[in-house]
Amino acid sequence: AQSVTQLDSHVSVSEGTPVLLRCNYSSSYSPSLFWYVQHPNKGLQLLLKYTSAATLVKGINGFEAEFKKSETSFHLTKPSAHMSDAAEYFCVVSVPGSSNTGKLIFGQGTTLQVKP
Amino acid sequence: KAGVTQTPRYLIKTRGQQVTLSCSPISGHRSVSWYQQTPGQGLQFLFEYFSETQRNKGNFPGRFSGRQFSNSRSEMNVSTLELGDSALYLCASSLTGANEQFFGPGTRLTVL
Repeated sequence: AQSVTQLDSHVSVSEGTPVLLRCNYSSSYSPSLFWYVQHPNKGLQLLLKYTSAATLVKGINGFEAEFKKSETSFHLTKPSAHMSDAAEYFCVVSVPGSSNTGKLIFGQGTTLQVKP
Repeated sequence: KAGVTQTPRYLIKTRGQQVTLSCSPISGHRSVSWYQQTPGQGLQFLFEYFSETQRNKGNFPGRFSGRQFSNSRSEMNVSTLELGDSALYLCASSLTGANEQFFGPGTRLTVL
């Protein structure tokens, strides 16, 4: 079965310092992996996606993630946090196959707090 | 291109009632997926529709149902509402269901 584990439920950083949000996945097949962000009372916005091309994926707003198959990880990073980055972040897996079409599996989310 | 829209944005119902939520996908997208988001359970997949057919279903009781129209718009229905159905219901559209999904703003359902 496929699953996603976000290793931190809450991360706090100071503005201008690096951000690291950790995610491990479990999948029997080659998965597609995504990071989504959700600001308060808003829907989910796609930050970036990995679909078996380059292992280092660049997304919007300066975020990037690296797919490491040997570690089954897909951690999200940003060199310098901005106050507007404060939000909930979800690591998400999509597994190929007809029984999984249209189904995303979400991690429990990591709340990112950015202090001035 | 307009994004995914959901109506209504907020809804208050009482136990035992039923509710219908609507989702209009991005133009050209034929797959619509529905998710329930609660503080305790997080985001959980409800079902996915493609070309008016339900292709996949999550682990929810039969009180949760949906349909998709020929223009790809989708509705989900919850009958005999329970307090635990209070949640943010999100729909997402994608081209085929095997691509990234784009989410609407959600419908906040409160069951009293």
